[in-house]
Order: sequence, then structure tokens, then C-alpha cells
Amino acid sequence: EIVLTQSPGTLSLSPGERATLSCRASQTVSSDYLAWFQHKPGQAPRLLIYGTSTRATGIPARFSGSGSGTDFTLTISSLEPEDFGMYYCQQSGSSPQTFGQGTKVETK
Amino acid sequence: QVQLQESGPGLVKPSEALSLTCTVSGDSVSRGSYFWTWIRQPAGKRLEWIGHIYTSGGTNYNPSLKSRVTMSLDTSKNQFSLKLTSVTAADTAVYFCARDTYSSIDYWGRGTLVTVSS
Repeated sequence: EIVLTQSPGTLSLSPGERATLSCRASQTVSSDYLAWFQHKPGQAPRLLIYGTSTRATGIPARFSGSGSGTDFTLTISSLEPEDFGMYYCQQSGSSPQTFGQGTKVETK
Repeated sequence: QVQLQESGPGLVKPSEALSLTCTVSGDSVSRGSYFWTWIRQPAGKRLEWIGHIYTSGGTNYNPSLKSRVTMSLDTSKNQFSLKLTSVTAADTAVYFCARDTYSSIDYWGRGTLVTVSS
């Protein structure tokens, strides 16, 4: 199965700063099937980006995704207070689907 | 707005079966081209895809769990279910149900904690 490794494990930033989250795959992932989710405690995970770079419905433009092959990036251009939480990448192009271990974006 | 809600026992004894149900509102489990999905997350570990059941009833399971997993649809109640047999402490996790459109998992439930303990 494809192993996804996210870095850094924790990102300590202030509101207004730029966040860059990395997701590296052990094998090539089809760009059509790389997604990013945000998860806060007690809430349902929220789809942010699918197909590497397509924002899900209602997701603000400050969230953007890029990458190809084995290296993918989620960028939050200017952090808002509600953006702090856990972020996961996921690939669904190869069965079984797999997830990264997560990056925690916390307030500095 | 599509909503999913997991339900089931929060405590299961070792060697017994874990059974969870996901109730869907705002959509029909028997309509459209969706994969109704179960995912779990043990404490401190990454999310693990358990498998899914298609609107037609076809299933696909994670090979690591395949021998112990069964998923089913109940179209009369607009629900889908997970059964995991012969559980051990390693099956203790938060279990999520979700809707997969094939290109993305677009809706999730909030998750339910299942603890395996005697």
C-alpha cells in the first residue's frame, strides 16, 4: 500500500502567517486522487482540497493545493483563527486508500 | 445538506463482534454513484480506511481487515452498517462513516469511540 508521510508534524504559527504543509508518497499518486482534510476535535473531518488542487464547495480561496507524483503541498496563504487544527492528506487512487499521519497547525 | 451519524455500542468485549450503523440524511444510500465508507482512527495513530459499500451493494474492503469485515445497506432505513468480528484491543478506535464520490470523501460523520475491553 502507499504510505503517505506528512511534514512537519507540528506547525506553530500566528494568525495572518502563511502555512505550508507537505505530503510525500512512497509511490506515485495520481493527481486526480490526492485530497486534504481538516479535522478538529469532536467535529466531522472537512474536505478542503481534492484532485490535488480543486477546492471543495465553500472552502475559502486562502486554501490551495499543488504537487504531482510523490510530492504534494497544502498552502494556507494567511491563517485565520478558525484554521488551527489537524490536517491530513489522503490518496484514493490505489487500493487500499491511505492517509498521512497528520500535521497539527497550532497557535504560536 | 448531507449528514451522517454513527451509532452503536461504545464497549465491546474481546473476541466478540463490533457492529455500527451510519444513518444518512439529506441523501439516499440507494441512489447515485456513491461509496458508503467506514474509516477508523486508533488514538495517536493515522486514519485507516476499512472499506466501502457501493449503492448497488458491491463491497471493497481493506485487505488487512477483509477476513473480519462485513458491510451492508438498509435502504428502508437509509442506513449502512459495519460488522467487525473477533475484535481485540487493537480494534479500539474512533470509527467514522463517510460518503465517497470516487473523486473525494466529501461528507463524514463526527465519529464514535469504540473500546474493546473485558
